[in-house]
Amino acid sequence: SFALAQPPSVSVAPGQTATITCGGDKIGTKSVHWYQQKPGEAPVLVVFDDSARPSGIPERYSGANAANTATLTISRVDAGDEADYFCQVWDSDGDHWFFGGGTKLTVL
Amino acid sequence: EVQLLESGGDLVQPGESQRLSCAASGFTFSDYAMSWVRQAPGKGLEWVSTISGTGKTSYYPDSLKGRFTISRDNSKNTLYLQMNNLRGGDTAIYYCAKHRSLANFGSWGPGVLVTVSP
Repeated sequence: SFALAQPPSVSVAPGQTATITCGGDKIGTKSVHWYQQKPGEAPVLVVFDDSARPSGIPERYSGANAANTATLTISRVDAGDEADYFCQVWDSDGDHWFFGGGTKLTVL
Repeated sequence: EVQLLESGGDLVQPGESQRLSCAASGFTFSDYAMSWVRQAPGKGLEWVSTISGTGKTSYYPDSLKGRFTISRDNSKNTLYLQMNNLRGGDTAIYYCAKHRSLANFGSWGPGVLVTVSP
């Protein structure tokens, strides 16, 4: 098992930068992926392989990963970014996939 | 455009079985691993199962191994999840997901609700 720890909630004012963390033992040695989920909708992949963005995801979304913490950063936040965000890793040794508990981003 | 559509969700009694289906279109189905991920009401995401593109290899968390079985029919572009001996804790929205790479889930269906209750 691989435990991923996320803060339950993060709040940020419009136009500011939101930072969501994902903690795990030596998570920096794994690739981390991030999903956005708005109420009543399916998750959407917003960052993969630590810092890459799928097509259609704004450059405002970025990621980093080192040591024991991965980070999703959303710059110039607006109301449309309000959602739950989940980090995820793949344990290739055991072929298991793990999700963090999720962080609710509130735009004030 | 990738499209995934789950079906088969229902209200079932504890101990019963249920099979979910996921119809896929917009990509070469057999080229991609596919997974099921579930989300209990008001809770986070939980990986349920993954199957390789050929269908020869499947993966489960220890907590579900033996009760759930993933399969696919590449001739029908359809993914399945057979769920046996269902329990209240299995109540969730079940999402079908196409892998972008084996490590992550690039596209998701809208999900289907399974409710396990007497």
